[in-house]
Amino acid sequence: NAGVTQTPKFQVLKTGQSMTLQCAQDMNHEYMSWYRQDPGMGLRLIHYSVGAGITDQGEVPNGYNVSRSTTEDFPLRLLSAAPSQTSVYFCASSYTGLAGYEQYFGPGTRLTVT
Amino acid sequence: AQSVTQLDSQVPVFEEAPVELRCNYSSSVSVYLFWYVQYPNQGLQLLLKYLSGSTLVKGINGFEAEFNKSQTSFHLRKPSVHISDTAEYFCAVIGGSYIPTFGRGTSLIVHP
Repeated sequence: NAGVTQTPKFQVLKTGQSMTLQCAQDMNHEYMSWYRQDPGMGLRLIHYSVGAGITDQGEVPNGYNVSRSTTEDFPLRLLSAAPSQTSVYFCASSYTGLAGYEQYFGPGTRLTVT
Repeated sequence: AQSVTQLDSQVPVFEEAPVELRCNYSSSVSVYLFWYVQYPNQGLQLLLKYLSGSTLVKGINGFEAEFNKSQTSFHLRKPSVHISDTAEYFCAVIGGSYIPTFGRGTSLIVHP
């Protein structure tokens, strides 16, 4: 099993550009989520999904879109990049039942917006 | 609603000394509790979890944590730390749904 994979590992964007961060998992997890990590702020939830076709907003959704067309994939789209979106982005997945709710994290994407 | 407070943003300690990283939570329902570790330039990985049963939970790399319901705490301990334990540690709680709430993290710095 590859677990949770994220691409790219690093990305530099100019203000106003758009891009998609890719996330995939091969564990058949129902729940997937996106976080951003900033110094001193911990992990903040951007969007999450409890299954294909179902998504919802987290704590900091503005400027980001998601979709979930398959169980495996959960891409995060930046519509018009801003310097405030400079961050490290993590995708995570888990079961939603009593299997334990453990989150499996990807290796992260480090995004810089200039 | 649920919340997590990690009381120390940074904990410096010498190698082979014991360490405790503190975590307090707030929830109106029963909770599941987790500790995750993040090594530099990596994603988070699970150290240990409390779902039910024994309140003393043992995890990987010699870490353990104790669930204290009356004090709403889930402190992480290790009797003797190594340089390789230098990392960021996150406490997380799930209560009433499957969406975890993470604390802001504690940076453990182990000095030789």
